[in-house]
Amino acid sequence: GQNIDQPTEMTATEGAIVQINCTYQTSGFNGLFWYQQHAGEAPTFLSYNVLDGLEEKGRFSSFLSRSKGYSYLLLKELQMKDSASYLCAVRDADSGAGSYQLTFGKGTKLSVIP
Amino acid sequence: DADVTQTPRNRITKTGKRIMLECSQTKGHDRMYWYRQDPGLGLRLIYYSFDVKDINKGEISDGYSVSRQAQAKFSLSLESAIPNQTALYFCATGTMNTGELFFGEGSRLTVL
Repeated sequence: GQNIDQPTEMTATEGAIVQINCTYQTSGFNGLFWYQQHAGEAPTFLSYNVLDGLEEKGRFSSFLSRSKGYSYLLLKELQMKDSASYLCAVRDADSGAGSYQLTFGKGTKLSVIP
Repeated sequence: DADVTQTPRNRITKTGKRIMLECSQTKGHDRMYWYRQDPGLGLRLIYYSFDVKDINKGEISDGYSVSRQAQAKFSLSLESAIPNQTALYFCATGTMNTGELFFGEGSRLTVL
């Protein structure tokens, strides 16, 4: 099974940098995903890490440490439109026939204020 | 047009009624999923399917059933709806290679 923890809410100022942490305990691991979800909308894919280290994609970066069961999403130069929920999701190990599954954390609601 | 389409987008029904939520996709993906989202509980997997002849239970399948009518279509049924099935339901598609999921716009179901 999977246990995924992330803060429930965060607030940050427009133009600043914010780091959203995610810790996980899993019986198997095959990658960590971050999704963004605006209120009332579908989640959309942001990033994927399977190896340790930092993946950068524009203003967003995601870090993974498999030995620590830890990831973070870093958002730079915050904009008002970044106000959304950020979902951490862990893909478990292949239990046969490529049967990977994604388990989601409860999400972190980020509010960006002027 | 959306790649993953859910119907209906909103539905209000009464306890005991049978409800079907439909999902269709134009992405050509083999894998399809149904999740429900509740405030404070996040996204939880109900059922998933890797191809037309494959159906698997997820974390919270009790009270639900699914049908994979074609590669592009995956429907979720509530045989006898109850109030605690009030939630936002998402269909998603994906492939084995990337693991990335593509979500529909959601179906908000209210059971009175």
